[in-house]
Amino acid sequence: EAGVAQSPRYKIIEKRQSVAFWCNPISGHATLYWYQQILGQGPKLLIQFQNNGVVDDSQLPKDRFSAERLKGVDSTLKIQPAKLEDSAVYLCASSPGQGAYEQFFGPGTRLTVL
Amino acid sequence: AQSVAQPEDQVNVAEGNPLTVKCTYSVSGNPYLFWYVQYPNRGLQFLLKYITGDNLVKGSYGFEAEFNKSQTSFHLKKPSALVSDSALYFCAVIDTSGTYKYIFGTGTRLKVLA
Repeated sequence: EAGVAQSPRYKIIEKRQSVAFWCNPISGHATLYWYQQILGQGPKLLIQFQNNGVVDDSQLPKDRFSAERLKGVDSTLKIQPAKLEDSAVYLCASSPGQGAYEQFFGPGTRLTVL
Repeated sequence: AQSVAQPEDQVNVAEGNPLTVKCTYSVSGNPYLFWYVQYPNRGLQFLLKYITGDNLVKGSYGFEAEFNKSQTSFHLKKPSALVSDSALYFCAVIDTSGTYKYIFGTGTRLKVLA
């Protein structure tokens, strides 16, 4: 079974530029999560999708971050414009749903904003 | 408010000795509890979970955890540590009285010394 795929693995941009991350979850997983993990901290949930609907986006900075999950499969997370404090690892995870809450994580995208 | 605490930033243990990584939580309703491990330059991996039933749960790589409702704790344990267990460990909780949002702890770095 293929795992959660993310791309790119690394990205370096300058502040005020835009960037997009892509995630393809495990086949059949209904729930998809995006997390921000700043060095030395635990993952912080940015947005949770159930199929193609948003379940929770309370911690997503909506003035600069956006995310979509078209057709309930893969997802993109965008930052526009980026700030220095957005430097972090962006993790995508998926879970089967339907009472199974364990998450399966991708390798992450390390973003550096200069 | 829902929260999870990992009071130790780092735990050092000699190879072959038992290890414990501590986790306490605070939720309004019943908790679902999880442990994840993060090896260097890799995504988080699910280790084990407590949803209901037996307070002692067993997971991957010989790890186990005990749910203690009165102490609101979910400590991770292993009878005999291996050098390869050295990694970053995260505890997470879902509050079933709310939106079922995951909250991760700040992580504990486990170092097993040969």
